[in-house]
Amino acid sequence: NAGVMQNPRHLVRRRGQEARLRCSPVKGHSHVYWYRQLPEEGLKFMVYLQKENIIDESGMPKERFSAEFPKEGPSILRIQQVVRGDSAAYFCASSGKTVNEQFFGPGTRLTVL
Amino acid sequence: GDSVTQMEGPVTLSEEAFLTINCTYTATGYPSLFWYVQYPGEGLQLLLKATKADDKGSNKGFEATYRKETTSFHLEKGSVQVSDSAVYFCALWNSGYSTLTFGKGTMLLVSP
Repeated sequence: NAGVMQNPRHLVRRRGQEARLRCSPVKGHSHVYWYRQLPEEGLKFMVYLQKENIIDESGMPKERFSAEFPKEGPSILRIQQVVRGDSAAYFCASSGKTVNEQFFGPGTRLTVL
Repeated sequence: GDSVTQMEGPVTLSEEAFLTINCTYTATGYPSLFWYVQYPGEGLQLLLKATKADDKGSNKGFEATYRKETTSFHLEKGSVQVSDSAVYFCALWNSGYSTLTFGKGTMLLVSP
């Protein structure tokens, strides 16, 4: 009875490299959300996806960031050409039809050197 | 836009003390309100929720009442334990949006 899985748990990248964060939702959930938690801040919404579709990306930076949730496989949050300001914890959540009941993964802590 | 304001931490208490963590919100319409808890190194877990005015959410000895007149959803527990040490997040969900809006979180430290 696995919950939301995220990997890797910790990721270290140098400036200019790419970061790929993976999220496997709760089995049967078709809604995935990505949030970012900066130091001393709460979680900020980035993007909401359903299978193969981006529903709302209003919280995602327009450049360097992209997300997908393919028909098969995990959701991917991709950050190109990372900068130090991208260092944060990135949380994935999933839900079923009750979209306000979101189940969170353990997060990926990205450190950009 | 919607926003959530929580009291700043850390809140430091002795075991068996009474806990209150204040949370107020600004939102249009009639949002649902939530408290999440984050233990060190883990993701957020839903602690309790309330979906309409005057509802009381409760779980594991924690409770919070949705007060529309004061736009508040304060978290309370009568007797805290060391194992309650964590960060607590207040959040709201508004049906006009597809996302949860979180406060900054309040760290609770309980000593024996």
